Amino acid sequence: QQQVKQSPQSLIVQKGGISIINCAYENTAFDYFPWYQQFPGKGPALLIAIRPDVSEKKEGRFTISFNKSAKQFSLHIMDSQPGDSATYFCAASISTGNQFYFGTGTSLTVIP
Amino acid sequence: KAGVTQTPRYLIKTRGQQVTLSCSPISGHRSVSWYQQTPGQGLQFLFEYFSETQRNKGNFPGRFSGRQFSNSRSEMNVSTLELGDSALYLCASSLAGRGQSPLHFGNGTRLTVT
Repeated sequence: QQQVKQSPQSLIVQKGGISIINCAYENTAFDYFPWYQQFPGKGPALLIAIRPDVSEKKEGRFTISFNKSAKQFSLHIMDSQPGDSATYFCAASISTGNQFYFGTGTSLTVIP
Repeated sequence: KAGVTQTPRYLIKTRGQQVTLSCSPISGHRSVSWYQQTPGQGLQFLFEYFSETQRNKGNFPGRFSGRQFSNSRSEMNVSTLELGDSALYLCASSLAGRGQSPLHFGNGTRLTVT
């Protein structure tokens, strides 16, 4: 059973547009929600992360929005660039645990 | 600081064989986790080691095993390989290995079972 559900599976956005990727979870014990970015031939790299005590976190063009009551969180990429073309994974974990639960990934393509 | 190093990068094995994958974590990181990545499934947790002890294991058969050495380097072994074991195997290290300690991934070992 997938503990973290991610959508869409793939996304095509024009350069300069906004890319939005959504994730949902069921386990209310999760208290750490990172996003990872993966380029072909590389391992995933941490992009940005949020804890449930805040509803939004912004780092440059990347923003996480978090809705605790709906058990959903999303990644917004503003002013999307061709260099942002990659696969994005959301994840969740329990701070006292040692296991991350990943979504199935979203392949983002930003066209010039 | 050097990143997480995984060797080999590619492996081709035949059904029934066994394979050993190696991972060298970032210096100072004592936790090493292993994940299996397949298309459509995302990353699935295999196990996590901290100071040579396996602290957690995912929902994989006993054919998948691992160990960690005193220098924090880790190995993963898969015995009696099946076609479905074909995947990218990712190793990740972290300082504490607890839920809010970021994972630093290697570039993976691509295993193909024929």
